[in-house]
Amino acid sequence: GAGVSQSPSNKVTEKGKDVELRCDPISGHTALYWYRQRLGQGLEFLIYFQGNSAPDKSGLPSDRFSAERTGESVSTLTIQRTQQEDSAVYLCASSLDRDHEQYFGPGTRLTVT
Amino acid sequence: AQSVAQPEDQVNVAEGNPLTVKCTYSVSGNPYLFWYVQYPNRGLQFLLKYITGDNLVKGSYGFEAEFNKSQTSFHLKKPSALVSDSALYFCAVRPTNTGTASKLTFGTGTRLQVTL
Repeated sequence: GAGVSQSPSNKVTEKGKDVELRCDPISGHTALYWYRQRLGQGLEFLIYFQGNSAPDKSGLPSDRFSAERTGESVSTLTIQRTQQEDSAVYLCASSLDRDHEQYFGPGTRLTVT
Repeated sequence: AQSVAQPEDQVNVAEGNPLTVKCTYSVSGNPYLFWYVQYPNRGLQFLLKYITGDNLVKGSYGFEAEFNKSQTSFHLKKPSALVSDSALYFCAVRPTNTGTASKLTFGTGTRLQVTL
């Protein structure tokens, strides 16, 4: 079956512009996660959605970052007024529920110039 | 707060030799432990997990990991390395008793280089 997909695969934007990243999880997966991976570093948790529960936003680095999820399907991560330090690969993952392993998408490489 | 340590940035091993990639963790209560692999220009792939039960967990591609509660470790092992195993390996942990939260904390990764 189809895995987690993300779009765009690459995004170059100018400092100060807003960007929107999209994630399509595996069908039937109730849990969805966003992570950030800076060059040469590990994964940094951003936000977690589980069904209709309130999302865990504890990893969002600033109020410029927000995310939404429609039911148990598509999620969008929005970064407003992008800064150069936002440059990273943004990874989305989904899992059957919070107790199961996460399956990752290929990521969106964001470059802020 | 939970944390994961992968003390080696890189591990070098010759093909055919056994390999070990180290991971230690810190978490409140019992842990869920995971290993993921990231091949160049590809997303992370799940390798194996420890939830409960047998301390020796077997996963994909011939990898296994041993959960050691007293040493708070979850080292990844393979009896005979392949050049194709060369990749970046991440250990991750979350506590079992997180309520509605499910934050998975990742280590910084260990690059495995297998040479002929």
